[in-house]
Amino acid sequence: KAGVTQTPRYLIKTRGQQVTLSCSPISGHRSVSWYQQTPGQGLQFLFEYFSETQRNKGNFPGRFSGRQFSNSRSEMNVSTLELGDSALYLCASRGWADTQYFGPGTRLTVL
Amino acid sequence: GDSVTQMEGPVTLSEEAFLTINCTYTATGYPSLFWYVQYPGEGLQLLLKATKADDKGSNKGFEATYRKETTSFHLEKGSVQVSDSAVYFCALSDGPGEAAGNKLTFGGGTRVLVKP
Repeated sequence: KAGVTQTPRYLIKTRGQQVTLSCSPISGHRSVSWYQQTPGQGLQFLFEYFSETQRNKGNFPGRFSGRQFSNSRSEMNVSTLELGDSALYLCASRGWADTQYFGPGTRLTVL
Repeated sequence: GDSVTQMEGPVTLSEEAFLTINCTYTATGYPSLFWYVQYPGEGLQLLLKATKADDKGSNKGFEATYRKETTSFHLEKGSVQVSDSAVYFCALSDGPGEAAGNKLTFGGGTRVLVKP
């Protein structure tokens, strides 16, 4: 089985722009979660989607949003980028068991 | 809310030394517990997991036992190699079942450096 894939792997944006990140889960997995990793805050949960519905949300401003498509692929969007949004964004998929499998991440740099 | 506390690093060891990384948690209910490892420039890889009290997870020489009485899940390896140099994260989740809410709560990570 192919693993979780994320595109793009690297992004450079400037303040005020918006960005969309994509995640393709492991085939058959319906749950996709997103996490932000920064040196200062560590790994923080953004949100989780299951069968195209947001099921859980972390403590992030409304500038962070996401969606899931019928094929379970997910996108997250960050609008009006700030310097503090620079981070590694990780996507994870989960099937019936409780194990989340992570993709390689998208490294976002905001200048 | 749920929380995970793990020892701060960096932990520097010589090859073939014994490694222990402490992890304690606070959670309601009966969480599942995980150790993930992150190599430089990569995402997280599942190292091992345990889903109920007294379960022992093991993989690649690493072991951890789910201790409900002490709310701990310490990671151990008897003889480390240079290739074990990485950042290790302890985490907990709500529990099994695809329909259950799904969120991992992570500890702050412990950087391990193994010298030859």
